[in-house]
Amino acid sequence: EPEVTQTPSHQVTQMGQEVILRCVPISNHLYFYWYRQILGQKVEFLVSFYNNEISEKSEIFDDQFSVERPDGSNFTLKIRSTKLEDSAMYFCASSNRGYAGELFFGEGSRLTVL
Amino acid sequence: AQTVTQSQPEMSVQEAETVTLSCTYDTSESNYYLFWYKQPPSRQMILVIRQEAYKQQNATENRFSVNFQKAAKSFSLKISDSQLGDTAMYFCAFMMTSGSRLTFGEGTQLTVNP
Repeated sequence: EPEVTQTPSHQVTQMGQEVILRCVPISNHLYFYWYRQILGQKVEFLVSFYNNEISEKSEIFDDQFSVERPDGSNFTLKIRSTKLEDSAMYFCASSNRGYAGELFFGEGSRLTVL
Repeated sequence: AQTVTQSQPEMSVQEAETVTLSCTYDTSESNYYLFWYKQPPSRQMILVIRQEAYKQQNATENRFSVNFQKAAKSFSLKISDSQLGDTAMYFCAFMMTSGSRLTFGEGTQLTVNP
């Protein structure tokens, strides 16, 4: 069964460093998402992406964040200069529908910022 | 803004018994979608069941059913004949019909005991 895969599963970085989290969505899906969950808090929406552009983003998704689909298979989330509060589990998801579609999630990438 | 609340952080049930997980939400929208997602330990979040707000009939998927009370803004999940594999974190989530972002509740950790 097709799955969304994410790498790395865990990354430790120093504050101020750039981090790239990678995701391989399900191959025939066209809609892509990043969510995050800070320990002890709710899963929060970051951004949705369709047709090579951001379709929706939350207040959390500021200029420190960017997303890209560089090669038609990967979907990346870049954090330019990490802060302590960026420590979280980051989930990638994909869907074949833009509205009310079932989201297929990856297992998550745990980011720890020291 | 929409909010979703799951007031039961943890629940447990004996195998083969029935358990109900609670979820309430707040929105000014009249049409929307509600979801229950399940996240087994160290695995991806997967969709359990979906309810469209304009449908009065409660959704069912095999052993999983919902009790959707639109006026009360309540969306509970009933798991019948609980199985050990149902042990997971369960998330209630909301999506507007005009968007693709999911708003999650806090999650309920369900443990099925043998």
